[in-house]
Amino acid sequence: LAKTTQPISMDSYEGQEVNITCSHNNIATNDYITWYQQFPSQGPRFIIQGYKTKVTNEVASLFIPADRKSSTLSLPRVSLSDTAVYYCLVGAPGGSGYSTLTFGKGTMLLVSP
Amino acid sequence: DAMVIQNPRYQVTQFGKPVTLSCSQTLNHNVMYWYQQKSSQAPKLLFHYYDKDFNNEADTPDNFQSRRPNTSFCFLDIRSPGLGDAAMYLCATSRVLGGGYTFGSGTRLTVV
Repeated sequence: LAKTTQPISMDSYEGQEVNITCSHNNIATNDYITWYQQFPSQGPRFIIQGYKTKVTNEVASLFIPADRKSSTLSLPRVSLSDTAVYYCLVGAPGGSGYSTLTFGKGTMLLVSP
Repeated sequence: DAMVIQNPRYQVTQFGKPVTLSCSQTLNHNVMYWYQQKSSQAPKLLFHYYDKDFNNEADTPDNFQSRRPNTSFCFLDIRSPGLGDAAMYLCATSRVLGGGYTFGSGTRLTVV
């Protein structure tokens, strides 16, 4: 299973764009990159998933370079309610064999007024 | 609208007294997972079911068991809870193994 490395914490202010980078140097060919958000005392919530280049949805963008050894979650114009822990996970959806997702330590994002 | 429902949200049990946590889903997903999350730590996978096939993580203590009587329900049984088992227990589902997970709100277990 590919191991991920993220910054332990990040600080930002309301209205700023936040970019959280995740390293996954030994990502496998079939692996996808998935980001989750977790608020205190709640289960993680799926944010975005991608395989290569760029993926965008209504809440975030995910940038994946050609070598796929890292990825960047971009949150546009954060608000106080974006304060949460963000997890980057790597795994092969639907792949044969054992491919459950393992959570790394996550990044605690603190958004201030 | 709730899709993965965990009951109860808070559970207090006595040291050594068996306890069962429940999870139900309305998504008809094939895979159901149980994670343990201790304070300020990442969720740790205990086991998962792919349909009726049970898969235990190598380091999951024998004290933890699971049952999945049908597609919709999955239970976590802790046979003899210790103080170290106090944690948030998260149930998740996915359509395929390793696919986008949908998590429940969790059950916070306190052992007294």
